[in-house]
Amino acid sequence: NAGVTQTPKFQVLKTGQSMTLQCAQDMNHNSMYWYRQDPGMGLRLIYYSASEGTTDKGEVPNGYNVSRLNKREFSLRLESAAPSQTSVYFCASTPRGGSSYNEQFFGPGTRLTVL
Amino acid sequence: QKEVEQNSGPLSVPEGAIASLNCTYSDRGSQSFFWYRQYSGKSPELIMFIYSNGDKEDGRFTAQLNKASQYVSLLIRDSQPSDSATYLCAVKRWGNRDDKIIFGKGTRLHILP
Repeated sequence: NAGVTQTPKFQVLKTGQSMTLQCAQDMNHNSMYWYRQDPGMGLRLIYYSASEGTTDKGEVPNGYNVSRLNKREFSLRLESAAPSQTSVYFCASTPRGGSSYNEQFFGPGTRLTVL
Repeated sequence: QKEVEQNSGPLSVPEGAIASLNCTYSDRGSQSFFWYRQYSGKSPELIMFIYSNGDKEDGRFTAQLNKASQYVSLLIRDSQPSDSATYLCAVKRWGNRDDKIIFGKGTRLHILP
């Protein structure tokens, strides 16, 4: 049971390049999330998927797209990277919707630098 | 007004003392409250959650919730150097299909040996 996995762990891009960050969970969780974390800014939600087949914008969606490929996988795409997207990206998942207590389980993170 | 507010710190506490971390929230519909610990370069991990007014204890950790004052805190007794980390407060409404939680910016805690 690997939990939440993310690839790659590190990435350096040039401005204008595109890339996809991959996330997978093997806990049969329904909801999945993408966050970015910048110094002094805490965790900010980019996109989330409450269930397979649905995606919604979070607090900072501009410049990103997502795909919920199946229940296990939720990818984040940067179509044209900008230096402002330099950040640490975390994927998270949670078991089910609407309950009072749902812990979010986090992946190890992807450290992205855009030059 | 920020939805979840925390003092960014750093909060320096001598080893063996009690560390007190505080968090306020603006949404009165918030019903579940979480404390995550994040070591430098690592991902957040849940250490406590609480949803009833009062105190909840787990080992050296105690979470305290006061919904009337919209205030939640985390006490760490007998602080150890290994407790040095950033502590993130997070809140959630009940009944949201999406299970979104809102994070504060975190408080950096430094335990002085």
